[in-house]
Amino acid sequence: GESVGLHLPTLSVQEGDNSIINCAYSNSASDYFIWYKQESGKGPQFIIDIRSNMDKRQGQRVTVLLNKTVKHLSLQIAATQPGDSAVYFCAEKEGIQGAQKLVFGQGTRLTINP
Amino acid sequence: DTGVSQDPRHKITKRGQNVTFRCDPISEHNRLYWYRQTLGQGPEFLTYFQNEAQLEKSRLLSDRFSAERPKGSFSTLEIQRTEQGDSAMYLCASSLPAGLAEVDIQYFGAGTRLSVL
Repeated sequence: GESVGLHLPTLSVQEGDNSIINCAYSNSASDYFIWYKQESGKGPQFIIDIRSNMDKRQGQRVTVLLNKTVKHLSLQIAATQPGDSAVYFCAEKEGIQGAQKLVFGQGTRLTINP
Repeated sequence: DTGVSQDPRHKITKRGQNVTFRCDPISEHNRLYWYRQTLGQGPEFLTYFQNEAQLEKSRLLSDRFSAERPKGSFSTLEIQRTEQGDSAMYLCASSLPAGLAEVDIQYFGAGTRLSVL
């Protein structure tokens, strides 16, 4: 399959371990944040989102943490599986209403080693 | 498959030619978005429709680019007089407004990869 992101920050973890992917954002007016997963040859797939009035949100095996003070977002994946290998993007949106565009970060390539 | 559908998946063209891509959103999603993604980067917003109305356009969308959504369902993105710098993955996403107090989630298609020779 084709590669998405040849020069991305990379993270390698052993299967079964937990992984943490970090993202810094710059727009203090951003009110909504999303993590997407992109596998080779596919479009971004929604994982989890969080509003700025929250600092933590949990899904199935994933947790997103938001620190508005330092404008930092992280995605924690528990008990990683081979299928978690992909490029992960954080995205931000300014405001709940109005402008609908998402602004994506550069992405991190996560590799799960067997 | 009831996800966002994009056609073609791959397009190779010569510089100066015109190309057109199609996006079929998820049924009943009235918001549709186009993004562009180059290798090593995250997607960049191009434009957004609500029903047939084009409500936002990025400065990335030069006058050689035009997007339409004539009946509020499928959308087309045309690039005229293609340049090598237009080579990228063109992604389409759709969403359904989730209500005044909620943010709608954008669901992406697999994209059309354009190579301009």
